Amino acid sequence: QQQVKQSPQSLIVQKGGISIINCAYENTAFDYFPWYQQFPGKGPALLIAIRPDVSEKKEGRFTISFNKSAKQFSLHIMDSQPGDSATYFCAASSRGSGYALNFGKGTSLLVTP
Amino acid sequence: GAVVSQHPSRVICKSGTSVKIECRSLDFQATTMFWYRQFPKKSLMLMATSNEGSKATYEQGVEKDKFLINHASLTLSTLTVTSAHPEDSSFYICSASQITNEKLFFGSGTQLSVL
Repeated sequence: QQQVKQSPQSLIVQKGGISIINCAYENTAFDYFPWYQQFPGKGPALLIAIRPDVSEKKEGRFTISFNKSAKQFSLHIMDSQPGDSATYFCAASSRGSGYALNFGKGTSLLVTP
Repeated sequence: GAVVSQHPSRVICKSGTSVKIECRSLDFQATTMFWYRQFPKKSLMLMATSNEGSKATYEQGVEKDKFLINHASLTLSTLTVTSAHPEDSSFYICSASQITNEKLFFGSGTQLSVL
């Protein structure tokens, strides 16, 4: 059972545009929500993460928006670049489960020149 | 960020043989390491949680006798795929976290191909 639902499955954005990826969860025990970026043949790299006590976190061109009541969170990539083309995974974990990550199914992002 | 080293990056083996994959935290101590499996264009599926000095906890459906996990020190965990078969071919990725820290850092993965 997928504990974290992610959409869209794929996304095409023009260079300079905003990429938006959405995730939703059901387990209210989750207290840590990271986003990972993965290039083909490589392990995932931590991009940015948020805890449920804040509604937004920004690091450079990457912003997480978090809606605790709706149990949803999203990643916004501003000024998207071709080098951002990769697969993005949202995830969620909880202290009670030793912070084992539950991943969404991933979003394949293509940024066109 | 913290560095997790995983070796080998790619291995090809014959059916019936065993393969060992190493996962090392290079600049921090990791009491917990996780092993994931990923099929092409799919998400990462948690296989097991490895705790230093104790037996690993396997997820439902993962054969503990086929996927042997050892976490003998705070910086090293190993996954041994025993009697590998073609259906075990996959991308295996380890991750580790610093003590009492929720941030997980991933290794670069191991592509296993069983002929």
